Amino acid sequence: DAKTTQPNSMESNEEEPVHLPCNHSTISGTDYIHWYRQLPSQGPEYVIHGLTSNVNNRMASLAIAEDRKSSTLILHRATLRDAAVYYCILRDVGTQGGSEKLVFGKGTKLTVNP
Amino acid sequence: KAGVTQTPRYLIKTRGQQVTLSCSPISGHRSVSWYQQTPGQGLQFLFEYFSETQRNKGNFPGRFSGRQFSNSRSEMNVSTLELGDSALYLCASSLGGSAVTGELFFGEGSRLTVL
Repeated sequence: DAKTTQPNSMESNEEEPVHLPCNHSTISGTDYIHWYRQLPSQGPEYVIHGLTSNVNNRMASLAIAEDRKSSTLILHRATLRDAAVYYCILRDVGTQGGSEKLVFGKGTKLTVNP
Repeated sequence: KAGVTQTPRYLIKTRGQQVTLSCSPISGHRSVSWYQQTPGQGLQFLFEYFSETQRNKGNFPGRFSGRQFSNSRSEMNVSTLELGDSALYLCASSLGGSAVTGELFFGEGSRLTVL
């Protein structure tokens, strides 16, 4: 399974943008980049995913480097509710027979200060 | 629509016992996968079931098993419990049609404590 590298922790102030980086230098052409987050005492929650182009949804934006070896999850205005562990995960579109296996790393623990 | 439901939410067992955890996926979802979360190892994939068949399996001993019923509900069983099995067990459901675009929806988990 292709690996991702994320900082262990980051801090932000409320209502400021947050850029969460992820390195995936061994990404293959068939890997999609997914982000999940886990709020305290809850199961992980899907945030966003993309392949090559930048993606936006109601929760966040995903900026993917041109060589796809890194990506950045952008929270445009952090709120206290965004305090969570954020996981960057690669999912292989070529997985035989399909599979919902996610390989979680340690993730980045985001602290949002009021 | 209702989310993923896991029961029981909390349970305490002793070493050597066995435990069965249940997961009801979102209506219409055919894939159910299970994960173990511990402070030391983080989130680890156990197995995935799709249309009553195990489609993928993680690196866990045979004491960990699961099954899926025709209504997509799933159970996982851990036999001969060890102290190290104490963990949060998470279930995730998805449509399962595509490994790429399928968003996984997680339940709140079953917290197992083995004494």
